[in-house]
Amino acid sequence: DAGVIQSPRHEVTEMGQEVTLRCKPISGHDYLFWYRQTMMRGLELLIYFNNNVPIDDSGMPEDRFSAKMPNASFSTLKIQPSEPRDSAVYFCASSDSRSNQPQHFGDGTRLSIL
Amino acid sequence: GENVEQHPSTLSVQEGDSAVIKCTYSDSASNYFPWYKQELGKRPQLIIDIRSNVGEKKDQRIAVTLNKTAKHFSLHITETQPEDSAVYFCAGGNRDDKIIFGKGTRLHILP
Repeated sequence: DAGVIQSPRHEVTEMGQEVTLRCKPISGHDYLFWYRQTMMRGLELLIYFNNNVPIDDSGMPEDRFSAKMPNASFSTLKIQPSEPRDSAVYFCASSDSRSNQPQHFGDGTRLSIL
Repeated sequence: GENVEQHPSTLSVQEGDSAVIKCTYSDSASNYFPWYKQELGKRPQLIIDIRSNVGEKKDQRIAVTLNKTAKHFSLHITETQPEDSAVYFCAGGNRDDKIIFGKGTRLHILP
């Protein structure tokens, strides 16, 4: 299995621009999680889905952040408009409830907002 | 909701010595406690996990202990090696539901 695949690996953009991060979970996994990692706040859970349905989005910082999962193999995290304080590494993770596997992380997207 | 506290934030040990990282959690309903290792610039990777019906689990040089009454759990690394240098995260929650991560411990193995 290729593991959780995230794109892009790096993104540098100017404040005010729209940013879209993408994630392909491990095939067969029914949970998908989006995390943000910074030095100050550590690993924060932003939102997670079960069977493509958002279950808990209480970690989404503001209305500027939105996430979708149109099908079992694809999810997006969008920031519009972006701000410098959104600069962080964004991780996607997935897990399989049926075989009780833990969360597997993707390689992350390093986002820099100038 | 769950809150996970982790300490120390930084730990330096001589190569060959043992390292211990401790975490506490707040939600008595939590039943799953994974530990992740994150090397610089890499993704977090699971190294060991424990369920609430088990008090201790060991995998080679790594062991975890869980005290449900006190709501704390610990990671023990014995005979530390240079490749153990990394940031270690504890987490707590329900296995398939969300888990909450501690702030991490930066472990330095000194030559």
